[in-house]
Amino acid sequence: AQSVSQHNHHVILSEAASLELGCNYSYGGTVNLFWYVQYPGQHLQLLLKYFSGDPLVKGIKGFEAEFIKSKFSFNLRKPSVQWSDTAEYFCAVNADRGSTLGRLYFGRGTQLTVWP
Amino acid sequence: DTAVSQTPKYLVTQMGNDKSIKCEQNLGHDTMYWYKQDSKKFLKIMFSYNNKELIINETVPNRFSPKSPDKAHLNLHINSLELGDSAVYFCASSEQGQPQHFGDGTRLSIL
Repeated sequence: AQSVSQHNHHVILSEAASLELGCNYSYGGTVNLFWYVQYPGQHLQLLLKYFSGDPLVKGIKGFEAEFIKSKFSFNLRKPSVQWSDTAEYFCAVNADRGSTLGRLYFGRGTQLTVWP
Repeated sequence: DTAVSQTPKYLVTQMGNDKSIKCEQNLGHDTMYWYKQDSKKFLKIMFSYNNKELIINETVPNRFSPKSPDKAHLNLHINSLELGDSAVYFCASSEQGQPQHFGDGTRLSIL
């Protein structure tokens, strides 16, 4: 079965600090990779996705992520965070094909708190 | 014009009761999902339907029964509710292989 690890449970930053959230997955085949954000009391929203092509993907709100296949990683970055980025961030993976197609596996989430 | 809508938003009930959560999507997607988010925010898939057919059925107690009357609706019925069922339940939809769109969630609290 696939699994997704997010290294940081809770990250606390000041505004304008740079952010990097780690995500590693375990699966031997081709995968699609996602980062979702959940603002307090709200549903999950897609930040960015990687299916194929350029391993550096840009998402909404200034976020980007880099897929490093050799490291099974898909870390999320933002050069300068804002107070409004305070939220829970989830890394997710699904198989590109096969019996687990469509089954989205989530990491346990990283709570980001940004102080003004 | 909410894309994926769930009702109710909050559900407070007693152990042993039976309850249903409804989900509708107006995105024209073929596939719908139910996820459970526990108190530690961990999200796990429960079921997935593609064009009204069950395609994913994770290890979920058979007290949980999904029903898809058409491809725009996926309801979740839960029998004999237990304390451990307290969670936030999210519905989602997608085209095959595309990112999933999530509903606002239903917070279920068992007394």
